[in-house]
Amino acid sequence: NAGVTQTPKFQVLKTGQSMTLQCAQDMNHNSMYWYRQDPGMGLRLIYYSASEGTTDKGEVPNGYNVSRLNKREFSLRLESAAPSQTSVYFCASTQLGQGGEAFFGQGTRLTVV
Amino acid sequence: AQRVTQPEKLLSVFKGAPVELKCNYSYSGSPELFWYVQYSRQRLQLLLRHISRESIKGFTADLNKGETSFHLKKPFAQEEDSAMYYCALGRDTGFQKLVFGTGTRLLVSP
Repeated sequence: NAGVTQTPKFQVLKTGQSMTLQCAQDMNHNSMYWYRQDPGMGLRLIYYSASEGTTDKGEVPNGYNVSRLNKREFSLRLESAAPSQTSVYFCASTQLGQGGEAFFGQGTRLTVV
Repeated sequence: AQRVTQPEKLLSVFKGAPVELKCNYSYSGSPELFWYVQYSRQRLQLLLRHISRESIKGFTADLNKGETSFHLKKPFAQEEDSAMYYCALGRDTGFQKLVFGTGTRLLVSP
């Protein structure tokens, strides 16, 4: 049981390049999230998907897009990367009725130069 | 709007000393509070939640609705407790949009 899997683990991009961060969960959870983690800022919600077929903006959605491909997968896309998007990105999932516990991926460390 | 405040960025204590990591929240509804921990080179994981009223690894946290606080406490800190701790706020029913605080790094020295 892998839980939440993110790819890639590390990535370096040049300003203006695009990329997609992949996330998959095998726990049959309804809800999935993308957070970014920055020093002194904690975890900030970028986008979330309450259930398959729906996505909503979180606290810091600018510069990002998401796709809930199916119940298992939730991808995050940077269309034109900027240095301000240098961060560690975490995907998470939760299931209703389990007390709201979120399960996290191992993170993607992204550097934009 | 949901908001979580963790006033301390760093808390440094000696082994065996008591620890209290502060967390205050703002939410108009009925909250559900959590503490998550991130050990070095590991993924974020749930430490405890207020509805369980349990002690995990010697840590406890009590929800104080009057003071809107959910402080994390441990009477005797251990070196292995050194980690990043995040307080998180969700709703008590339905979809959980978890909002996290800025985190407190706990450093326990020998």
